[in-house]
Amino acid sequence: GQNIDQPTEMTATEGAIVQINCTYQTSGFNGLFWYQQHAGEAPTFLSYNVLDGLEEKGRFSSFLSRSKGYSYLLLKELQMKDSASYLCAVIDSNYQLIWGAGTKLIIKP
Amino acid sequence: IAGITQAPTSQILAAGRRMTLRCTQDMRHNAMYWYRQDLGLGLRLIHYSNTAGTTGKGEVPDGYSVSRANTDDFPLTLASAVPSQTSVYFCASSDELAGYNEQFFGPGTRLTVL
Repeated sequence: GQNIDQPTEMTATEGAIVQINCTYQTSGFNGLFWYQQHAGEAPTFLSYNVLDGLEEKGRFSSFLSRSKGYSYLLLKELQMKDSASYLCAVIDSNYQLIWGAGTKLIIKP
Repeated sequence: IAGITQAPTSQILAAGRRMTLRCTQDMRHNAMYWYRQDLGLGLRLIHYSNTAGTTGKGEVPDGYSVSRANTDDFPLTLASAVPSQTSVYFCASSDELAGYNEQFFGPGTRLTVL
């Protein structure tokens, strides 16, 4: 079966750095997304990785290792507004998106 | 309209009733999707449509049907609602002709079946 694993919940301090990990086992791989979802709202796109390495976009970076079936989302200079769930999703060989259950990130002052 | 809209925002429904959730996008995206999101389970695909006139089953299609008469609209119908269909429903769309299928989501419909 297809599986995406993320920690259920993480806590971090305002101004700090946090890394949210995602491991996947899917039938094929055609890319990986990270989405942000605030409570009661729709998911919104953060990043896309298809090649190994680090993609940086402002305070957020996303890393991919296809050989390890592993990705992480790195959030720097955390702000209270970063409190949200972060969803990892993989495009499989049929070009379907397989979603992880999400990581709820709690930011404390 | 800007992006994707869904209606209603929320609904309480008696079990056994028929319900249609509406979804409209104005981005001319060819692909559209319906998901349900339940606590601890993440997003699960119900049905999808790669282009107007075609639909496909996702991970959890039972009890739901869809149609795609045109590019913009993708309604989801619950023929006879059951309490296990209580969930938040998200409609999404993507441009399959783009390099990757980033999905854009509507605001969601919160459905409670009693």
